Amino acid sequence: GNSVTQMEGPVTLSEEAFLTINCTYTATGYPSLFWYVQYPGEGLQLLLKATKADDKGSNKGFEATYRKETTSFHLEKGSVQVSDSAVYFCALRKQAGTALIFGKGTTLSVSS
Amino acid sequence: DTEVTQTPKHLVMGMTNKKSLKCEQHMGHRAMYWYKQKAKKPPELMFVYSYEKLSINESVPSRFSPECPNSSLLNLHLHALQPEDSALYLCASSPRTLTGWAQLGQPQHFGDGTRLSIL
Repeated sequence: GNSVTQMEGPVTLSEEAFLTINCTYTATGYPSLFWYVQYPGEGLQLLLKATKADDKGSNKGFEATYRKETTSFHLEKGSVQVSDSAVYFCALRKQAGTALIFGKGTTLSVSS
Repeated sequence: DTEVTQTPKHLVMGMTNKKSLKCEQHMGHRAMYWYKQKAKKPPELMFVYSYEKLSINESVPSRFSPECPNSSLLNLHLHALQPEDSALYLCASSPRTLTGWAQLGQPQHFGDGTRLSIL
């Protein structure tokens, strides 16, 4: 079946450090891939997305590239800030109108 | 500002109470969802409505009763809940077409949730 595996945290970094959160997926065909972020006490916000192989999604300094050959969608940021502290969820969607399949989430904690 | 509005933001209720959670969106989306999220866990799908009809029920106990009165509104009626039902309840919406393919990349838009505590 379809599934998403992401590295478990917590990930603890100092401000301005480089961030990578790994995400791999299992799905037939060409799912759409998403990264969502959840700040403390809030709902989920879309961070970025990619809909086909080699697409790169980017937003707020975060990037992720849809790699069909490695079934991966790793999240990266060159220089994290304290305000990036949150839980990050990788997700896929196989069909329009269907629900997202989430990874378990990765907690990021950035200290100054 | 979130485009999916959920009320109330917080709700405390006893196990014998009846209450309702409300969700509203005005983006013209025709698919709406209820998720349950426990602390430090990903959201778990509960229900999916497509064109105001229930299309997915993930074996949710009958003490949770969803309702979609029109294309903009989604309710979740609660009755006789248990302490383990305490969680953040998230509503989401997304475009939906019969052909589907063109909408595959459209993300789900989430509300900020209702934090429910069962005494």
